[in-house]
Amino acid sequence: DTGVSQDPRHKITKRGQNVTFRCDPISEHNRLYWYRQTLGQGPEFLTYFQNEAQLEKSRLLSDRFSAERPKGSFSTLEIQRTEQGDSAMYLCASSSSGGTYEQYFGPGTRLTVT
Amino acid sequence: GQNIDQPTEMTATEGAIVQINCTYQTSGFNGLFWYQQHAGEAPTFLSYNVLDGLEEKGRFSSFLSRSKGYSYLLLKELQMKDSASYLCAVYNNNDMRFGAGTRLTVKP
Repeated sequence: DTGVSQDPRHKITKRGQNVTFRCDPISEHNRLYWYRQTLGQGPEFLTYFQNEAQLEKSRLLSDRFSAERPKGSFSTLEIQRTEQGDSAMYLCASSSSGGTYEQYFGPGTRLTVT
Repeated sequence: GQNIDQPTEMTATEGAIVQINCTYQTSGFNGLFWYQQHAGEAPTFLSYNVLDGLEEKGRFSSFLSRSKGYSYLLLKELQMKDSASYLCAVYNNNDMRFGAGTRLTVKP
């Protein structure tokens, strides 16, 4: 399977704990995106990497959120001091820099903060 | 501000044709995408329009009018498996903005 993969698929955590999610993009894609999606809404853009550089970050992203893509391949998204409002599906997508900008999504990590 | 609007829900009959509209107001435009998302799954790509006009792809077609900030997704010969949410998204400078999605229910 050469699609986008995410780990874990589900995470339940208590309020105040830190969580980290991983995304492995399609290998030849140099662009990587993180989104958050809540029930009944479309994905909401969080941040974007081209290779290892984080080029854009949503103003909605608080200081508790940080993302890295250290070698320009996989990426991690960390949420510190989780709050109940952080409960959502976290989606990762990747694309190539040329062509139609089409993004391929991973299966997502569903976070539940209790 | 940036707005992407689409109807919340639609219902159609198996075998019929349905048109899902999307209007957008964004600060820039590099293309419009339609994605399909089944409940509990990730979005999957359906179509991409960057120039005005109709793009046909099997049972699915998508139309774009940049001057009107308008697009539609046309689904023909509806099948039960087409029951899903359909997301309209505008791409602009590395930023993909999604609408809230239209939940389509196909009935026998």
